[in-house]
Amino acid sequence: GIQVEQSPPDLILQEGANSTLRCNFSDSVNNLQWFHQNPWGQLINLFYIPSGTKQNGRLSATTVATERYSLLYISSSQTTDSGVYFCAAQISSGSARQLTFGSGTQLTVLP
Amino acid sequence: DAGVTQSPTHLIKTRGQQVTLRCSPKSGHDTVSWYQQALGQGPQFIFQYYEEEERQRGNFPDRFSGHQFPNYSSELNVNALLLGDSALYLCASSHGSEQYFGPGTRLTVT
Repeated sequence: GIQVEQSPPDLILQEGANSTLRCNFSDSVNNLQWFHQNPWGQLINLFYIPSGTKQNGRLSATTVATERYSLLYISSSQTTDSGVYFCAAQISSGSARQLTFGSGTQLTVLP
Repeated sequence: DAGVTQSPTHLIKTRGQQVTLRCSPKSGHDTVSWYQQALGQGPQFIFQYYEEEERQRGNFPDRFSGHQFPNYSSELNVNALLLGDSALYLCASSHGSEQYFGPGTRLTVT
């Protein structure tokens, strides 16, 4: 099956700093999603981005499908951005329907 | 517009018992997927239901079974619970590729 790797595993920032999270995947995908998991466990949808670039406020994401990676940018970070960020991918071949998740990036934003 | 809902929120069971978790999809969604998330790990795919049939299954034993009802809601059943089944169980709904997740059910097996 597809392999999804995220880096870095842990990231500690001062409030106001910018950060880039990376997601590499091993196969062609027709779905690539970024999530933020809150302290209660809920996965919050950030981006659905199988290719191209999207922006939503201080967050933006880029997926380069031909090179099999995606980046999540967080600008002017706030303490409320803390938590675990996951990327998840669904391969585009065969009958696969599942999302395969990476191991996540634990982000801590200090005041 | 209600999002994906799951019940119960928390559950404590004893090893060997059986458990049923429930999920109602987001309005307009016809596909439900279930995932298991162990502490400190990413969610792992259990199975997916569409048109009341199991469409795809991950690497989980037959103790894990499910059902989808005509209104698209779904149940996850786990028999003969093991200590290792303790986890957060997440339901996701979709219509097309993008999946939306519920708040999860935290299962503790003692």
